[in-house]
Amino acid sequence: SYVLTQPPSVSVAPGQTARITCGGNNIGSKSVHWYQQKPGQAPVLVVYDDSDRPSGIPERFSGSNSGNTATLTISRVEAGDEADYYCQVWDSSRGVFGTGTKVTVL
Amino acid sequence: EVQLVESGGGLVQPGGSLRLSCAASGFTVSSNYMSWVRQAPGKGLEWVSVIYSGGSTYYADSVKGRFTISRDNSKNTLYLQMNSLRAEDTAVYYCARVPHAGYFDYWGQGTLVTVSS
Repeated sequence: SYVLTQPPSVSVAPGQTARITCGGNNIGSKSVHWYQQKPGQAPVLVVYDDSDRPSGIPERFSGSNSGNTATLTISRVEAGDEADYYCQVWDSSRGVFGTGTKVTVL
Repeated sequence: EVQLVESGGGLVQPGGSLRLSCAASGFTVSSNYMSWVRQAPGKGLEWVSVIYSGGSTYYADSVKGRFTISRDNSKNTLYLQMNSLRAEDTAVYYCARVPHAGYFDYWGQGTLVTVSS
Protein backbone atom coordinates (compact mmCIF):
# COMPACT_ATOMS: atom_id res chain seq x y z
CA SER A 1 0.00 0.00 0.00
CA TYR A 2 1.05 3.57 -0.62
CA VAL A 3 2.70 5.35 2.31
CA LEU A 4 3.04 9.08 2.96
CA THR A 5 5.65 10.17 5.49
CA GLN A 6 5.65 13.53 7.31
CA PRO A 7 7.91 14.89 10.05
CA PRO A 8 6.16 14.57 13.44
CA SER A 9 6.71 18.19 14.35
CA VAL A 10 7.83 21.57 13.02
CA SER A 11 8.49 24.60 15.19
CA VAL A 12 8.52 28.14 13.84
CA ALA A 13 8.63 31.66 15.22
CA PRO A 14 5.84 34.10 14.38
CA GLY A 15 6.46 35.88 11.09
CA GLN A 16 8.79 33.18 9.83
CA THR A 17 8.17 30.44 7.25
CA ALA A 18 7.14 26.88 8.04
CA ARG A 19 7.74 24.10 5.55
CA ILE A 20 6.07 20.72 5.99
CA THR A 21 7.20 17.86 3.78
CA CYS A 22 5.25 14.83 2.63
CA GLY A 23 7.30 11.99 1.21
CA GLY A 24 5.98 9.24 -1.04
CA ASN A 25 7.18 7.07 -3.89
CA ASN A 26 6.96 9.21 -7.06
CA ILE A 27 4.45 11.48 -5.31
CA GLY A 28 5.12 14.05 -8.02
CA SER A 29 2.92 11.99 -10.33
CA LYS A 30 -0.06 12.36 -8.00
CA SER A 31 -2.25 15.26 -6.89
CA VAL A 32 -1.51 16.17 -3.28
CA HIS A 33 -3.93 17.82 -0.90
CA TRP A 34 -3.30 19.35 2.52
CA TYR A 35 -5.50 19.71 5.60
CA GLN A 36 -5.25 21.73 8.78
CA GLN A 37 -6.77 20.31 11.96
CA LYS A 38 -7.07 22.17 15.23
CA PRO A 39 -7.86 20.35 18.50
CA GLY A 40 -11.44 19.14 18.73
CA GLN A 41 -12.27 20.26 15.20
CA ALA A 42 -12.76 18.57 11.84
CA PRO A 43 -9.96 18.92 9.28
CA VAL A 44 -10.05 21.88 6.90
CA LEU A 45 -8.74 21.75 3.34
CA VAL A 46 -6.01 24.37 2.89
CA VAL A 47 -4.36 23.32 -0.40
CA TYR A 48 -5.64 21.02 -3.14
CA ASP A 49 -4.22 19.69 -6.38
CA ASP A 50 -0.66 20.40 -5.22
CA SER A 51 -0.88 24.18 -5.09
CA ASP A 52 -4.44 25.52 -5.35
CA ARG A 53 -6.16 27.21 -2.44
CA PRO A 54 -9.86 26.94 -1.59
CA SER A 55 -11.69 30.23 -1.22
CA GLY A 56 -11.11 31.75 2.18
CA ILE A 57 -7.67 30.25 2.69
CA PRO A 58 -4.96 32.94 3.01
CA GLU A 59 -2.32 33.30 0.31
CA ARG A 60 0.22 32.56 3.03
CA PHE A 61 -0.55 28.87 2.43
CA SER A 62 1.09 27.43 -0.67
CA GLY A 63 2.09 24.03 -1.96
CA SER A 64 4.48 22.32 -4.35
CA ASN A 65 5.04 18.77 -5.50
CA SER A 66 7.91 17.15 -7.38
CA GLY A 67 9.77 13.88 -7.42
CA ASN A 68 9.30 12.05 -4.13
CA THR A 69 8.36 15.05 -1.98
CA ALA A 70 5.42 17.43 -1.69
CA THR A 71 5.71 20.53 0.48
CA LEU A 72 3.23 22.77 2.26
CA THR A 73 4.66 26.21 2.95
CA ILE A 74 3.15 28.61 5.45
CA SER A 75 4.58 32.12 5.08
CA ARG A 76 4.46 34.81 7.74
CA VAL A 77 3.31 32.30 10.32
CA GLU A 78 0.72 33.46 12.85
CA ALA A 79 -0.26 32.03 16.24
CA GLY A 80 -3.52 30.83 14.71
CA ASP A 81 -1.62 28.53 12.34
CA GLU A 82 -0.68 26.25 15.22
CA ALA A 83 -2.34 22.95 14.33
CA ASP A 84 -1.82 19.46 12.92
CA TYR A 85 -1.33 19.25 9.16
CA TYR A 86 -1.94 16.21 6.96
CA CYS A 87 -1.12 15.54 3.34
CA GLN A 88 -3.35 13.25 1.29
CA VAL A 89 -3.43 11.52 -2.08
CA TRP A 90 -5.66 9.07 -3.86
CA ASP A 91 -4.11 5.74 -4.78
CA SER A 92 -5.84 2.83 -6.52
CA SER A 93 -9.29 4.16 -5.58
CA ARG A 94 -8.29 4.48 -1.95
CA GLY A 95 -7.55 7.56 0.10
CA VAL A 96 -4.17 7.81 1.78
CA PHE A 97 -3.29 10.29 4.51
CA GLY A 98 0.15 11.26 5.67
CA THR A 99 1.31 10.60 9.22
CA GLY A 100 0.64 14.19 10.25
CA THR A 101 2.82 17.10 11.39
CA LYS A 102 2.24 19.20 14.48
CA VAL A 103 3.16 22.82 13.82
CA THR A 104 4.10 24.74 16.94
CA VAL A 105 4.37 28.52 16.88
CA LEU A 106 7.06 29.56 19.32
CA GLU B 1 -24.63 26.13 2.10
CA VAL B 2 -23.05 22.70 2.17
CA GLN B 3 -23.51 20.89 5.46
CA LEU B 4 -22.78 17.34 6.68
CA VAL B 5 -24.15 16.09 9.99
CA GLU B 6 -23.10 12.70 11.35
CA SER B 7 -25.03 10.69 13.92
CA GLY B 8 -25.23 7.17 15.29
CA GLY B 9 -22.03 6.97 17.28
CA GLY B 10 -21.88 5.57 20.79
CA LEU B 11 -20.57 2.83 23.04
CA VAL B 12 -20.71 -0.74 21.69
CA GLN B 13 -19.25 -4.01 22.89
CA PRO B 14 -16.57 -5.85 20.91
CA GLY B 15 -18.20 -7.94 18.21
CA GLY B 16 -21.20 -5.64 18.08
CA SER B 17 -22.64 -3.52 15.28
CA LEU B 18 -23.41 0.13 14.72
CA ARG B 19 -24.74 2.17 11.81
CA LEU B 20 -23.52 5.71 11.27
CA SER B 21 -25.51 8.25 9.29
CA CYS B 22 -24.39 11.41 7.53
CA ALA B 23 -27.19 13.77 6.51
CA ALA B 24 -26.19 16.13 3.72
CA SER B 25 -27.66 19.46 2.70
CA GLY B 26 -26.72 22.01 0.07
CA PHE B 27 -25.73 19.38 -2.51
CA THR B 28 -26.80 15.96 -3.80
CA VAL B 29 -25.03 12.97 -2.24
CA SER B 30 -25.68 10.69 -5.21
CA SER B 31 -23.97 13.10 -7.61
CA ASN B 32 -20.75 13.13 -5.63
CA TYR B 33 -18.13 10.77 -4.32
CA MET B 34 -18.59 10.45 -0.55
CA SER B 35 -16.20 9.05 2.00
CA TRP B 36 -15.74 8.11 5.64
CA VAL B 37 -12.54 9.01 7.47
CA ARG B 38 -11.76 8.14 11.09
CA GLN B 39 -9.39 9.33 13.77
CA ALA B 40 -8.51 7.24 16.80
CA PRO B 41 -7.93 9.19 20.03
CA GLY B 42 -4.65 11.07 19.79
CA LYS B 43 -3.86 9.59 16.39
CA GLY B 44 -3.84 10.71 12.78
CA LEU B 45 -6.46 10.56 10.07
CA GLU B 46 -7.29 7.19 8.51
CA TRP B 47 -9.34 6.81 5.34
CA VAL B 48 -12.09 4.19 5.76
CA SER B 49 -14.29 3.95 2.68
CA VAL B 50 -15.64 5.70 -0.41
CA ILE B 51 -18.74 5.38 -2.56
CA TYR B 52 -18.58 6.75 -6.09
CA SER B 53 -21.46 8.55 -7.75
CA GLY B 54 -21.87 5.49 -9.95
CA GLY B 55 -22.21 3.26 -6.89
CA SER B 56 -18.80 1.58 -6.77
CA THR B 57 -17.44 1.15 -3.27
CA TYR B 58 -13.93 0.75 -1.85
CA TYR B 59 -12.61 0.04 1.63
CA ALA B 60 -9.45 0.22 3.68
CA ASP B 61 -7.97 -3.21 4.31
CA SER B 62 -8.54 -2.71 8.05
CA VAL B 63 -12.34 -2.66 7.63
CA LYS B 64 -12.92 -4.66 4.45
CA GLY B 65 -15.50 -7.38 4.98
CA ARG B 66 -16.78 -5.78 8.19
CA PHE B 67 -17.95 -2.31 7.13
CA THR B 68 -20.38 -1.37 4.36
CA ILE B 69 -20.84 2.10 2.90
CA SER B 70 -24.17 2.99 1.29
CA ARG B 71 -26.46 5.92 0.59
CA ASP B 72 -30.17 6.69 0.48
CA ASN B 73 -30.79 9.05 -2.40
CA SER B 74 -34.31 9.90 -1.22
CA LYS B 75 -32.94 11.03 2.15
CA ASN B 76 -29.73 12.52 0.74
CA THR B 77 -27.90 10.56 3.42
CA LEU B 78 -24.70 8.52 3.56
CA TYR B 79 -24.33 5.49 5.84
CA LEU B 80 -21.62 3.30 7.29
CA GLN B 81 -22.73 -0.08 8.62
CA MET B 82 -20.08 -1.39 10.99
CA ASN B 83 -20.14 -5.05 12.03
CA SER B 84 -17.79 -7.22 14.09
CA LEU B 85 -16.44 -4.14 15.81
CA ARG B 86 -13.07 -4.27 17.52
CA ALA B 87 -11.39 -2.09 20.13
CA GLU B 88 -9.15 -0.67 17.42
CA ASP B 89 -12.22 0.71 15.61
CA THR B 90 -12.63 3.23 18.44
CA ALA B 91 -12.41 6.63 16.78
CA VAL B 92 -14.19 9.78 15.72
CA TYR B 93 -15.78 9.04 12.35
CA TYR B 94 -16.12 11.85 9.84
CA CYS B 95 -18.05 11.85 6.59
CA ALA B 96 -16.68 14.00 3.79
CA ARG B 97 -17.47 15.00 0.24
CA VAL B 98 -14.82 14.04 -2.30
CA PRO B 99 -15.06 15.87 -5.63
CA HIS B 100 -13.57 13.81 -8.45
CA ALA B 101 -12.07 11.21 -6.09
CA GLY B 102 -9.46 13.72 -5.07
CA TYR B 103 -9.62 16.00 -2.09
CA PHE B 104 -12.09 16.11 0.80
CA ASP B 105 -13.65 19.55 0.54
CA TYR B 106 -16.43 19.42 3.13
CA TRP B 107 -16.39 17.48 6.40
CA GLY B 108 -18.94 16.77 9.06
CA GLN B 109 -18.29 17.47 12.74
CA GLY B 110 -17.66 13.79 13.47
CA THR B 111 -19.31 11.17 15.65
CA LEU B 112 -17.47 9.17 18.32
CA VAL B 113 -17.56 5.39 18.27
CA THR B 114 -16.22 3.61 21.34
CA VAL B 115 -15.78 -0.15 21.26
CA SER B 116 -15.34 -1.46 24.77
CA SER B 117 -16.72 -4.02 27.17
